[in-house]
Amino acid sequence: RKEVEQDPGPFNVPEGATVAFNCTYSNSASQSFFWYRQDCRKEPKLLMSVYSSGNEDGRFTAQLNRASQYISLLIRDSKLSDSATYLCVVNIAVDSSYKLIFGSGTRLLVRP
Amino acid sequence: NAGVTQTPKFRILKIGQSMTLQCTQDMNHNYMYWYRQDPGMGLKLIYYSVGAGITDKGEVPNGYNVSRSTTEDFPLRLELAAPSQTSVYFCASSYGQVNQPQHFGDGTRLSIL
Repeated sequence: RKEVEQDPGPFNVPEGATVAFNCTYSNSASQSFFWYRQDCRKEPKLLMSVYSSGNEDGRFTAQLNRASQYISLLIRDSKLSDSATYLCVVNIAVDSSYKLIFGSGTRLLVRP
Repeated sequence: NAGVTQTPKFRILKIGQSMTLQCTQDMNHNYMYWYRQDPGMGLKLIYYSVGAGITDKGEVPNGYNVSRSTTEDFPLRLELAAPSQTSVYFCASSYGQVNQPQHFGDGTRLSIL
C-alpha cells in the first residue's frame, strides 16, 4: 500500500463548480499535512497547510480526519486558473528524522 | 526575493558523463532536500540535509552524491549518468522538519541519452 494515495483524475469541471479531492495516508503517526499545487512543468507550491480542526483560505477548504486517515481539499467556485495538479503531502517520522511524503497528485481541469 | 535557486534549468548528458546540479537558498533554512519527479509520478526524495556538514539518504539515493559545506548550498552530483536518471530534479528547503512547508526551486530538467 502506498504511503499517500490520491485519485489521479483528471477531474474535469466547469467554471464555477465545486470540486473535492480526497487523499488517504497509511502512517497513523503522521505529524503534519499539506496541499501543494503543481502547474504543468513547474515546481510544487504550497497551497495550504491542513490543521486538525479544518481550515479555510478563500475558496479553498481543507479537512483532516485522523481516525480514518484521510485529508480532503474542497475548491468552491472553480476558476480556469485552478487547473493544475494538486499534491497531497504528509509529514511522517522516520527514525529520528521527519520526511515529507508526496502523493502522485490529482489533476484538475476547469473548462469555460 | 530569490528563495531557492537551481541551475542549470535544462541539461542533456551522454551516458557515463558526470555533472553537478546546483542549489542555493537565501532564506537561512537549515533543512534542504533533493527530489526527482518522473512523468506522472510523485516526488521521490534522493538526499536531504539537516544542516551544514550533515547529509542523509532518502528513498532513491543510488547513483547520486551530495555535500553541504554551507547553509546556503546543497549541490547534487551524478557521477556516471544513466538513462534511468532522466527526470526533473527539484531542490527544496525548509525552516524546520515538523509543521513546516518546503519551498521549491523551479527544477532542473535532465535528459540522459
